Amino acid sequence: DIVLTQSPALAVSLGQRATISCKTNQNVDYYGNSYMHWYQQKPGQQPKLLIYLASNLASGIPARFSGRGSGTDFTLTIDPVEADDTATYYCQQSRNLPNTFGAGTKLELK
Amino acid sequence: QVQLKETGPDLVQLTQTLSITCTVSGFSLTTYNVHWVRQPPGKGLEWMGAMWNGGGTDYNSAFKSRLSISRDTSKSQVFLKMNSLQTDDTAKYFCARHEVYYSGDLKDYFDYWGQGVMVTVSS
Repeated sequence: DIVLTQSPALAVSLGQRATISCKTNQNVDYYGNSYMHWYQQKPGQQPKLLIYLASNLASGIPARFSGRGSGTDFTLTIDPVEADDTATYYCQQSRNLPNTFGAGTKLELK
Repeated sequence: QVQLKETGPDLVQLTQTLSITCTVSGFSLTTYNVHWVRQPPGKGLEWMGAMWNGGGTDYNSAFKSRLSISRDTSKSQVFLKMNSLQTDDTAKYFCARHEVYYSGDLKDYFDYWGQGVMVTVSS
């Protein structure tokens, strides 16, 4: 199984930039696409898609969110951070079954 | 609009069988795939398995032979059944729609999720 590693928590100030990383133990690229996706989850809610295929903004997601990376190293950036962004962020790979998720990064405000 | 809704028991006894139904609307099960993902309290997301639009299934080997996914397309329902439940199966169980392509472009994401059903395994 592909293992995804995320830092457990990140604290940033309102209006600043948050960068959340996700590293995989295997390459998740295939034929020019990086099979990495990012989700936001708030307490008691279902996950919400933010970024797909590493860098594509999902429908209805503000441009403050962006993703980049390839191979085994990926980042989700939120700039500027707003109060409503406090949540846990998960990366997910779909290169191979089983689909696997990172353990999540909890974003908090300083 | 697209909706998924999980229904199932709140409480299941140790070693018993869990059955959850995911009822979908706004799309066809013969066009889209539906996956099951679970989340133990305070923990991360774990992919369990998939019902493909063609009727095939795939499972996370972590569940060995305990897990079964099936569907009734006429009722727009996907079923999860897992036996020999243990206390560490206590979790919120989600179903999610998987879109592979849209307008010819690769997507391969989970774009809609149900609210989830919280299941506690009790001894």
